Amino acid sequence: DSGVTQTPKHLITATGQRVTLRCSPRSGDLSVYWYQQSLDQGLQFLIQYYNGEERAKGNILERFSAQQFPDLHSELNLSSLELGDSALYFCASSAGTYNEQFFGPGTRLTVL
Amino acid sequence: DAKTTQPNSMESNEEEPVHLPCNHSTISGTDYIHWYRQLPSQGPEYVIHGLTSNVNNRMASLAIAEDRKSSTLILHRATLRDAAVYYCILSGPSGSARQLTFGSGTQLTVLP
Repeated sequence: DSGVTQTPKHLITATGQRVTLRCSPRSGDLSVYWYQQSLDQGLQFLIQYYNGEERAKGNILERFSAQQFPDLHSELNLSSLELGDSALYFCASSAGTYNEQFFGPGTRLTVL
Repeated sequence: DAKTTQPNSMESNEEEPVHLPCNHSTISGTDYIHWYRQLPSQGPEYVIHGLTSNVNNRMASLAIAEDRKSSTLILHRATLRDAAVYYCILSGPSGSARQLTFGSGTQLTVLP
């Protein structure tokens, strides 16, 4: 158990819909990262937050957004969903001064 | 980010040592070498990291070439539980927590 929790574990929705994925980092970790893992693209970095502020952006679509709240949990919002958005979405956290990242169990999103 | 090259797959017998190679010929002087692994149906898991000197921890050893253009992750006695995809990743120095860029990794199969 990494100490990072993600909800929900599975999510099935339809094209055009909007969903929110939630992540609670390890206690005390200030950095939260979101990654997407699909069969054709592998594990790709989406976005990083550090203590509530956006720190880095990767290959995140404009339809996707994220935020980190004062209690340090983070949410990833995916809107206007397409079939190609079906993937595993992982959240990771780190202390911020050391780059070892701890990954959550992931949310499997299926868009029908 | 500098690129890493790993074999697509490797096989090992249970209870034997495994040497997983990684080439990173364009590594910069401040890049750390990180290894993560992803067991089936789980999020990635930190294994080990190093800068110049060889490193040991309870999970594995990391041997870094003198010119730092390659490294080898060593599992001293492979178990069936070590079957996973192993990722070699270059990342910035400690103190600058940043996203991980995953390649395709090495799929390790452990034979009983």
